[in-house]
Amino acid sequence: AQKITQTQPGMFVQEKEAVTLDCTYDTSDQSYGLFWYKQPSSGEMIFLIYQGSYDEQNATEGRYSLNFQKARKSANLVISASQLGDSAMYFCAMRLRINAGGTSYGKLTFGQGTILTVHP
Amino acid sequence: DTGVSQDPRHKITKRGQNVTFRCDPISEHNRLYWYRQTLGQGPEFLTYFQNEAQLEKSRLLSDRFSAERPKGSFSTLEIQRTEQGDSAMYLCASSLFGRGASGQTGITDTQYFGPGTRLTVL
Repeated sequence: AQKITQTQPGMFVQEKEAVTLDCTYDTSDQSYGLFWYKQPSSGEMIFLIYQGSYDEQNATEGRYSLNFQKARKSANLVISASQLGDSAMYFCAMRLRINAGGTSYGKLTFGQGTILTVHP
Repeated sequence: DTGVSQDPRHKITKRGQNVTFRCDPISEHNRLYWYRQTLGQGPEFLTYFQNEAQLEKSRLLSDRFSAERPKGSFSTLEIQRTEQGDSAMYLCASSLFGRGASGQTGITDTQYFGPGTRLTVL
């Protein structure tokens, strides 16, 4: 079974600085997708970035980038130029991409999350 | 394009009562998912549909839980004989898997979440 581990319960960063949120995963499958979501205090899960296991380049989306190290099974989220609005809970999640029948598994397995606080 | 919507946003009920939640996915999304999230934890998968078909159910989904998506559009999640342990945020998400009617493809099958329904069982 797949597992996601986020070892940082809380992180603090100064506004305009960069911050890295750690995520390690465990799966024996070769084909999978990794996602990061942001959950503000309002509760809604907001999709940030996706990395496929066969993608050769690290994913980037604006101020978000994913430091994907397949051999280490890590998929760390880097937020550059932090803003006050980045303060939220961040979740790493994994989905196995393809099963033997060629159909994408649907469910996401989430980590415990990291609370990020951005200081002015 | 409107996002995923859920109704109600909050529900308070007494133990033993039945409750039903509704989720409306993003239009053209063929997959719909239900998750449960308790305080301080990541969401846990409950079940998902592709069109009308329920493709997977978690063992977390006891006999008291039932989900439907009769016309492949909105979905309902019903909890019968609620227990205090059912108190949680129930999240719905939708995604496009394969090719949509307009020709767009959902290669990554990214799930987009609704605002959630917070259930409190007294």
